[in-house]
Amino acid sequence: ETGVTQTPRHLVMGMTNKKSLKCEQHLGHNAMYWYKQSAKKPLELMFVYSLEERVENNSVPSRFSPECPNSSHLFLHLHTLQPEDSALYLCASSQDAGRADSPLHFGNGTRLTVT
Amino acid sequence: AQKVTQAQTEISVVEKEDVTLDCVYETRDTTYYLFWYKQPPSGELVFLIRRNSFDEQNEISGRYSWNFQKSTSSFNFTITASQVVDSAVYFCALSGLGYNAGNMLTFGGGTRLMVKP
Repeated sequence: ETGVTQTPRHLVMGMTNKKSLKCEQHLGHNAMYWYKQSAKKPLELMFVYSLEERVENNSVPSRFSPECPNSSHLFLHLHTLQPEDSALYLCASSQDAGRADSPLHFGNGTRLTVT
Repeated sequence: AQKVTQAQTEISVVEKEDVTLDCVYETRDTTYYLFWYKQPPSGELVFLIRRNSFDEQNEISGRYSWNFQKSTSSFNFTITASQVVDSAVYFCALSGLGYNAGNMLTFGGGTRLMVKP
């Protein structure tokens, strides 16, 4: 496989459920990201990991909990979400941590619906 | 703070028409990078082009061309002879130095382009 792979593609969960989103990159990149894309807002950066260390938490509520066990894998653990958390969650990676010119490579996203 | 504005939320054209997507940005950085991404219905954002703030030369790649004008803080994207496969949401994005790690892009709101046959 090549590129950035996200699973599942679609997820429906109740507000009391716990679920996890998974992202895997096969590009040998050092940095990984979670973005949220909702209908009425621009793409919002949630978390950044560089060399498996979290370097940015963009004021994200604690009901979203990221995990980066190695440079190829990134998870987003979800619990007690709200309906307004329904969105497309995009994972991305970039080659070089710390380089503003390094393009992001995105996965297909997970379409999350909270009921 | 950085900001990217894509004033056109939706554009509809007929196939073979030329179309220009506008992007205006704000930044205090003297060195920065501008990007365009395409998001087809499948969801993933596809990287199209990167331009650094010191290179104002316009670029052409097939039917795509980009016009970077620092004086007006704009980085517009033109598709010549549009095709139905060009239908997607297009995002302009900006990154600058001053971050510790990673590439923390500021995205515009996106322009949905619909190309009708």
